[in-house]
Amino acid sequence: GAVVSQHPSWVICKSGTSVKIECRSLDFQATTMFWYRQFPKQSLMLMATSNEGSKATYEQGVEKDKFLINHASLTLSTLTVTSAHPEDSSFYICSARLSGRALSYEQYFGPGTRLTVT
Amino acid sequence: AQRVTQPEKLLSVFKGAPVELKCNYSYSGSPELFWYVQYSRQRLQLLLRHISRESIKGFTADLNKGETSFHLKKPFAQEEDSAMYYCALRGGSNYKLTFGKGTLLTVNP
Repeated sequence: GAVVSQHPSWVICKSGTSVKIECRSLDFQATTMFWYRQFPKQSLMLMATSNEGSKATYEQGVEKDKFLINHASLTLSTLTVTSAHPEDSSFYICSARLSGRALSYEQYFGPGTRLTVT
Repeated sequence: AQRVTQPEKLLSVFKGAPVELKCNYSYSGSPELFWYVQYSRQRLQLLLRHISRESIKGFTADLNKGETSFHLKKPFAQEEDSAMYYCALRGGSNYKLTFGKGTLLTVNP
C-alpha cells in the first residue's frame, strides 16, 4: 500500500514551453503532497507544500509563478514548469502524506520525473 | 532554521564490517529525525525514525541531543545495504522534511 506515482517519468521540452508533471497517490488519500527538486549528486530540496483545495506554500526562493502547483483532489497534485529554461532541468520528486491521520509523519515518495529543457 | 549535515558523501566498507553513517543536525526545538534510503533505480523510502527506536534491516540510530547527532549504524554490513542514505529532520508542527546531502554506501564483497 501507500504507492505514489509520477507521470511522466522523463520529459524533454524546448526552452520557453511549459511542462506538467503529475503526482498521484494510488491507494490512499493525501491531503498534503510535497514537491522536491534534486540536482545531480545533491540532496532533495523542498520546493513547495501542496495542500488539497488551497494554495500551495512555496519555500523561500522558489518562484510560484514559474512553478505552478495545483492540488485539485485528494489523490492528485500537479506541478507545471512554465516557460521552462535549461536551468530548470532537474529531477523532480513528489511525496504524499496520508490524510486523516494526525500523527502520520511518513511521506511516501514517487519515483521522480527527469526534466530536460533544450 | 533547520539544517542537516551528512559529512561523508561516500562510504565504502567490506561485507561483514561495521558501518556508521554520520548525521548532525541544527534545530532550536525538539526535532524528529529520520533515515531514508534509496536503492539503485528505486524511489526514496523510509528506513527508520528516532521516535520508534526500532531496528530495521539491522540498522539502528540513536538521537543524541547533546551532540545533535543521529548516526546510523549496523554491526555487520551486507552487500544489499549498498544504497544512498539520507538523514532528514522534521521540525515544528508542519510535516516538511529537511534532508541532508546523502551518503552513498558501498558494501564490497
